Amino acid sequence: DAGVIQSPRHEVTEMGQEVTLRCKPISGHNSLFWYRQTMMRGLELLIYFNNNVPIDDSGMPEDRFSAKMPNASFSTLKIQPSEPRDSAVYFCASSSRQREVVDTQYFGPGTRLTVL
Amino acid sequence: GNSVTQMEGPVTLSEEAFLTINCTYTATGYPSLFWYVQYPGEGLQLLLKATKADDKGSNKGFEATYRKETTSFHLEKGSVQVSDSAVYFCALSQGSGGYQKVTFGTGTKLQVIP
Repeated sequence: DAGVIQSPRHEVTEMGQEVTLRCKPISGHNSLFWYRQTMMRGLELLIYFNNNVPIDDSGMPEDRFSAKMPNASFSTLKIQPSEPRDSAVYFCASSSRQREVVDTQYFGPGTRLTVL
Repeated sequence: GNSVTQMEGPVTLSEEAFLTINCTYTATGYPSLFWYVQYPGEGLQLLLKATKADDKGSNKGFEATYRKETTSFHLEKGSVQVSDSAVYFCALSQGSGGYQKVTFGTGTKLQVIP
C-alpha cells in the first residue's frame, strides 16, 4: 500500500509568488493533517480535516495560507503571496479515526519550500 | 491545554550505550501516548504507542511505559546503534467532542557514534 504522497518534494520560489503543495492521503483514511516544521518553531499543526471538512485551522499563520480538501483522496495547501519566512518543510499526514478511537498518524515525506 | 515536554538534545552516545529520552505530559483524562522517529530527510514515522496506563509500547528494541502517576512516557533502548541516529518526538493524542487533537513535543536529536 502506498503511503502518503506529497508533491513537489522540493520547491524554490521567489517572494510574492503563489505556491501550491499537494497531498494524497492513504486510501481509506478519513483524517488529514498539514504540519510545518522549522528549526526555530519545531513541528506546528496548521490545519486538520476530518471526512474532508476542516475541523481546526487555528494553526494557519495568516490569510496568506489556505487549505482545501475537495475529496477524500486529495488536499492542497496554498500560500499566496509567499514570503521568505514561509521557508520550511511542510508535512501532510493522514490517519483513520473511528468514533473516539485515536489512531496513528502516517506522515508523507514532506515538501521542502524555499522562498527567496 | 495539553502539552508535551521532552528533554532537549542533542544527545550523543557511543554505540551499544543505554538510551533514555525523557518525556512528560500534561493532559486531562487519559490520552494515548506515542513516540515518533524522524530520520534525516524523511517524515515522521510511528515508533511505538501506548493507549492506557501501565501499557508498555515496544518496537525495534525501544520501549516506553505509560506512567499515569508520574505523567511520563520515557523512551529507552538497551543498546543503541549508529542507525538509531534520528530525531525522536514524544506526542499525545486525545479525542474530545469529535476532534482528535495531537500534541507533539519539540523533538530530541540523537546522535550515535561508532
